[in-house]
Amino acid sequence: KAGVTQTPRYLIKTRGQQVTLSCSPISGHRSVSWYQQTPGQGLQFLFEYFSETQRNKGNFPGRFSGRQFSNSRSEMNVSTLELGDSALYLCASSLMGQMNTEAFFGQGTRLTVV
Amino acid sequence: SQELEQSPQSLIVQEGKNLTINCTSSKTLYGLYWYKQKYGEGLIFLMMLQKGGEEKSHEKITAKLDEKKQQSSLHITASQPSHAGIYLCGADAGYNNNDMRFGAGTRLTVKP
Repeated sequence: KAGVTQTPRYLIKTRGQQVTLSCSPISGHRSVSWYQQTPGQGLQFLFEYFSETQRNKGNFPGRFSGRQFSNSRSEMNVSTLELGDSALYLCASSLMGQMNTEAFFGQGTRLTVV
Repeated sequence: SQELEQSPQSLIVQEGKNLTINCTSSKTLYGLYWYKQKYGEGLIFLMMLQKGGEEKSHEKITAKLDEKKQQSSLHITASQPSHAGIYLCGADAGYNNNDMRFGAGTRLTVKP
């Protein structure tokens, strides 16, 4: 069974640009969550999608958005990039997204904003 | 919100030694997850603990959940260089939520 796949692995963008990251969950998993990881703030929850609907959202500005497709693949978009958006972005997939169910992470996309 | 405190922040042990990492929650734990991360990479799922008193083992890693103390511990027996990395504990933020809150991580170095 293939794991969670995130693309691209690395990205360098300029301030003010926008970026789209992709996450393909494990086959059969319907829930995809996104996290931002920085040295200063650690791992922080961005949002969760289930069956193409955003079900839960963390405390991030509206520049961070996402969507999920009918095949459960998810994309995350960050507009008007700021230097502080430089981070490792991780997505996690789980079967139904219920509490106390296993969640598996991808390798992450490292975004550098210059 | 769920706050998770991990201790120690970093740990350097000699190969073959045992070690324990702790994760303490400020709120009731409905479930706790342990992950391992190599620098700059994704999180590798280790274990999930759901019930107070539950204990799970995988190879040389054992994790326990003490619900009353709102604490979990991860114990590695006879550590090896392959155990090196950052260990993170995570917990669901609330009963019906699906976002996880994580501890700051424990960086483990195993000296050969």
